[in-house]
This record gives sequence, C-alpha cells and structure tokens, in this order.
Amino acid sequence: AQKITQTQPGMFVQEKEAVTLDCTYDTSDPSYGLFWYKQPSSGEMIFLIYQGSYDQQNATEGRYSLNFQKARKSANLVISASQLGDSAMYFCAMREAISGGYNKLIFGAGTRLAVHP
Amino acid sequence: KAGVTQTPRYLIKTRGQQVTLSCSPISGHRSVSWYQQTPGQGLQFLFEYFSETQRNKGNFPGRFSGRQFSNSRSEMNVSTLELGDSALYLCASSLVPATNEKLFFGSGTQLSVL
Repeated sequence: AQKITQTQPGMFVQEKEAVTLDCTYDTSDPSYGLFWYKQPSSGEMIFLIYQGSYDQQNATEGRYSLNFQKARKSANLVISASQLGDSAMYFCAMREAISGGYNKLIFGAGTRLAVHP
Repeated sequence: KAGVTQTPRYLIKTRGQQVTLSCSPISGHRSVSWYQQTPGQGLQFLFEYFSETQRNKGNFPGRFSGRQFSNSRSEMNVSTLELGDSALYLCASSLVPATNEKLFFGSGTQLSVL
C-alpha cells in the first residue's frame, strides 16, 4: 500500500505568489515524523521542514509552512512568496517506526515545481 | 557546522566491478542511512547504521552492503555491479535513529554503470 502520496506530478506558480504542495500519508503508528525536502537539479536533498506526529502547532521555517491535518493524514507544504530559485523537485517523506524499534524514511514520488517570472 | 559529506560525487564503473561510496555525517550525528534514487523506482531505503551496527536493511540484494566506523563515518559497497545499479546514492544523518529526529542529506554520489 502507498504510504506517502503526492498527487501533483507537476505544479506551476508565478513568482511572488504562494503555492501549496499536497501530501497524504498512511500509518497506524502513533509516533512518526513528516518531512519535506527540496531537490534541485544538482541532486542534493535539502531539508525544508519537519512536523512530529505529537506536535500541536503547524511547523514553520521561514517561507515554508506545513499544514498538518492529523485526522485527514495530510501534511501539505505551503511556500509563500515563491522565488525563481524555488524551482525544483519536492519530496514529502515520513519516518515511521517499524518492527524491532527501528525506523526508516519513506518518500513520496515527488512534485516538480516550476516558478515563472 | 559542516553538512553531510559524500565522496566521490561521480563514479563511472563497468558491469561486474565493485564500488565503495563514503559518507561523513554531520558532527555529533551517530545515525547514518543510505538511499538509492532512480527515475523508475524513486527513493528507496538501503540500510541504516547506528553505533557501528546495521539496524535495518531495505529490500536490496546481498551485493549491497555497508558499514559504520567508530567516528560514525559510513561506507557502502556494491559488488558485481549491474546496469540497474546506476543511480544517485544519497546518505543521510541524524543524531539518533528516532522517528522524531530530523534527517539531513548529502549531495549524493551519482553512479553510472556501463
């Protein structure tokens, strides 16, 4: 079963506008972490924002905020005031516990964001 | 604070050869994990190390192995390379392997198998 679903293969946004990238997840574990990463064409995976399953407040990091709706199992990334440098691939990921007390990071398929001037 | 460092950045090998990739985690981070990224399969978990012990392994053949040293640096090895092993290999580190720990990635090693 798909654990992380990103339904938008590609998104376009005008420079200086806000954009929301969707992410839904599936887990039965009460303890998990949700991440968003940005991957530019250079290949590096850049950490953007983190939300813990027990966090009461939505996470924010500068222009990035995470719209966490736990009951809906949704963790959408909101980028405010888009910049040309935001053009990249964006991955939603979940770190969940698996058997034996271990855990691993599971990624969605990604959303390619293009920012137009 | 230096980030996660992966070397080399690019590698070209031929089928049947073996390759070793290196990863130095962020100072103080003791958990290192490896991921393979391909256009067809996306990002897939390879294995995770903590305190020099492999704690978890993904669904990859035994040709893929790794280890972690006492200074938390990690290496992964792929033996008897196949064309399908061509991928971007990413290393990530965190303080400890807990679900609520932030995970930081390196720039990756782009492996091409000819």
